Amino acid sequence: GENVEQHPSTLSVQEGDSAVIKCTYSDSASNYFPWYKQELGKGPQLIIDIRSNVGEKKDQRIAVTLNKTAKHFSLHITETQPEDSAVYFCAASISGRYSTLTFGKGTMLLVSP
Amino acid sequence: GAGVSQTPSNKVTEKGKYVELRCDPISGHTALYWYRQSLGQGPEFLIYFQGTGAADDSGLPNDRFFAVRPEGSVSTLKIQRTERGDSAVYLCASSLYSPTAGEETQYFGPGTRLLVL
Repeated sequence: GENVEQHPSTLSVQEGDSAVIKCTYSDSASNYFPWYKQELGKGPQLIIDIRSNVGEKKDQRIAVTLNKTAKHFSLHITETQPEDSAVYFCAASISGRYSTLTFGKGTMLLVSP
Repeated sequence: GAGVSQTPSNKVTEKGKYVELRCDPISGHTALYWYRQSLGQGPEFLIYFQGTGAADDSGLPNDRFFAVRPEGSVSTLKIQRTERGDSAVYLCASSLYSPTAGEETQYFGPGTRLLVL
């Protein structure tokens, strides 16, 4: 089955800096890669996703890049703010009508004012 | 509109007891997923439903775990003879497939935090 590795496990940045979280996946058939943000005591919230027919997608301060050849994808957050502090999870699945997600172990991002 | 809701938000039980966890999906979403999240880990798939039937239950850890979705909306995850190792956050997600876009997005509820003493 699919295996998703995520790095780093923790990331501390100063407000205004950029943050990058990287994930690798094992199943070359995977073609859908969402990123979720989870705040303490809450469920995961989808923040951005990318499908394998594109290499990059951007939404304001958040961008995701995908390298299918290397089987890795990354989340980029620019101009970080304290409210970006949370645990971020990457996931992978084989997109179809319905598909289960395989998650990484998460990255705890701390943005200091 | 209303998102995925889960009840109870917290559940404390004793080893060996039976528990039921409820999930109310987003109205109109036909697919429903259950995941389990242990401390410091990402969510792990348990089971998913298309309509009323369990389309894939390969993630259920053993036969103490069972889930139903009798009317194709609300789902209940049932755990018999609970063990301390069952302590985790149980997450529910729902989704709606878009035939025009050819894609599906899963939306998660807040989870039920289960503690087995």
